[in-house]
Amino acid sequence: NAGVIQTPRHKVTGKGQEATLWCEPISGHSAVFWYRQTIVQGLEFLTYFRNQAPIDDSGMPKERFSAQMPNQSHSTLKIQSTQPQDSAVYLCASSLDWGGGSYEQYFGPGTRLTVL
Amino acid sequence: GDSVTQTEGQVTVSESKSLIINCTYSATSIGYPNLFWYVRYPGEGLQLLLKVITAGQKGSSRGFEATYNKEATSFHLQKASVQESDSAVYYCALSGSSGSWQLIFGSGTQLTVMP
Repeated sequence: NAGVIQTPRHKVTGKGQEATLWCEPISGHSAVFWYRQTIVQGLEFLTYFRNQAPIDDSGMPKERFSAQMPNQSHSTLKIQSTQPQDSAVYLCASSLDWGGGSYEQYFGPGTRLTVL
Repeated sequence: GDSVTQTEGQVTVSESKSLIINCTYSATSIGYPNLFWYVRYPGEGLQLLLKVITAGQKGSSRGFEATYNKEATSFHLQKASVQESDSAVYYCALSGSSGSWQLIFGSGTQLTVMP
């Protein structure tokens, strides 16, 4: 079991460019979560999927951010027209799909996004 | 909305001494949330340390323990005798309030254990 895989581990973009972050959840896990970590805001929830369906995106900035889960083996987080304030570590996590949120979330190593 | 508060950003303790890291929470739902402690060791990813999903119960792992106190809305992390290898960042978190599964994290506490 390789754990949650996130690629790339580091990404540098220029202001206004697009960034796509990839996440491969643990096989058999059908709940996938995206979080963002910055020094100022700490760990913030962005969005999550259950069985590939979007369930809650209340943490996503309304503009420029989107997430998809086209199949059970990967999810993407896309940021259009990146801005310096988007610089952060983006974490993906997966868990089993029942228990009302009581199951452990397994985190990937994160993607460090730097917007110049 | 729901929130988690960790008052200490940094804690330094000498090896073999006791430790307490404070955590309080606020949950808006009628039911009780699930409570967690996650830890990030240097150079590693975020991982679960312990969890408690029933009010009044205690969770334990690697010598750490935390009790779900619904009256005080607290979930403090304690250890009787810390080791240098416990140096890490500790995050208190909740989930399951209002039917949401996402984790709401505290700001984290950097623990440094001095030899």
